[in-house]
Amino acid sequence: GAVVSQHPSWVICKSGTSVKIECRSLDFQATTMFWYRQFPKQSLMLMATSNEGSKATYEQGVEKDKFLINHASLTLSTLTVTSAHPEDSSFYICSAKGQETQYFGPGTRLLVL
Amino acid sequence: AQRVTQPEKLLSVFKGAPVELKCNYSYSGSPELFWYVQYSRQRLQLLLRHISRESIKGFTADLNKGETSFHLKKPFAQEEDSAMYYCALTPMDSNYQLIWGAGTKLIIKP
Repeated sequence: GAVVSQHPSWVICKSGTSVKIECRSLDFQATTMFWYRQFPKQSLMLMATSNEGSKATYEQGVEKDKFLINHASLTLSTLTVTSAHPEDSSFYICSAKGQETQYFGPGTRLLVL
Repeated sequence: AQRVTQPEKLLSVFKGAPVELKCNYSYSGSPELFWYVQYSRQRLQLLLRHISRESIKGFTADLNKGETSFHLKKPFAQEEDSAMYYCALTPMDSNYQLIWGAGTKLIIKP
């Protein structure tokens, strides 16, 4: 149990375009999901906390207009990177709050050319 | 300030040798502590949590409030233990938000 999926697993896009990443809890409902960014050989950096039916809470330094988060159902949260630039290239990981802790998706590799 | 420190970026030991991955934390209340593991090309997964006091894959971790530590130990390392290990803390009333250590890469040499 407690499986979280992410789609797509990797994406390449042109600078200036927007990219949407989906995070789904497959076998449980998650009122709270988290979005992280992981740079090479570094730990996870929390970007925002996504709460079902309400606005996401962004960490300091994360632009909410740049990284749009929507958590419209108990099993789906989406992260949209708007007007992506090469510096947005990274590994994005979502997690969903379960009974005991967070359960992680496999991550999405974004490359902006 | 709330902080998790993993002082070793890289730890390399021989198969069969004991392993200890260090984790220290800074938190004013009673934290909930976790170890997560990320095997090559796999997602992060929970290894163990301090309140369950269980042993997973031969690993144990004891919360030492006096030393504010939560070191991860295994008496006899196996090659399949090679992975990135992250120590994390959940503050009380935080909706399970996690504060992460920088991670330790464990390499088990044959």
